[in-house]
Amino acid sequence: DGGITQSPKYLFRKEGQNVTLSCEQNLNHDAMYWYRQDPGQGLRLIYYSQIVNDFQKGDIAEGYSVSREKKESFPLTVTSAQKNPTAFYLCASSPLNRAPEAFFGQGTRLTVV
Amino acid sequence: QQPVQSPQAVILREGEDAVINCSSSKALYSVHWYRQKHGEAPVFLMILLKGGEQKGHEKISASFNEKKQQSSLYLTASQLSYSGTYFCGTEGQGAQKLVFGQGTRLTINP
Repeated sequence: DGGITQSPKYLFRKEGQNVTLSCEQNLNHDAMYWYRQDPGQGLRLIYYSQIVNDFQKGDIAEGYSVSREKKESFPLTVTSAQKNPTAFYLCASSPLNRAPEAFFGQGTRLTVV
Repeated sequence: QQPVQSPQAVILREGEDAVINCSSSKALYSVHWYRQKHGEAPVFLMILLKGGEQKGHEKISASFNEKKQQSSLYLTASQLSYSGTYFCGTEGQGAQKLVFGQGTRLTINP
């Protein structure tokens, strides 16, 4: 079955450490997205990519980095520069056309202690 | 810039109706509606394109007022399974990216 896989589901890290969240899709979608979800703030766009080896900053990119070396994969690194990294992170993908339906992964809950 | 949703939360009894609104300060190409159960991934409900169309999905429908850059989601005769957080996502005229609102939490009680 096609879909998006995020791993791990829960992640704990010590403050000051970088951590990488995995996102893989087998839907053959060109566009991929990373969102951060905090209570009461909805889904905020961190980064998005429409083609391999290219990506754009979203509204809250500071303290995060991404790569898109393969069409299927869009990993997100939460760096030590991110001041408040504890959150629920969602990855999504969609076809590269106007008004696309986005498919979401199950999310990764990151807790920094 | 995030679209603004209202209300932030709604509590209903089973069988009652609800309306969730989404407004943007930017000119929109499309509006998307998703529902998320607690701890799960958001699930797609429908997309509306500019042109003021209205779409329906069983007892859940939506409209898009292009002039006002507003969309409304209508839930009629609500069922317990409708509980969750509803998000609108907007796609601007120029940028092909989805930006979501802060969500509306819907609780349906028996």
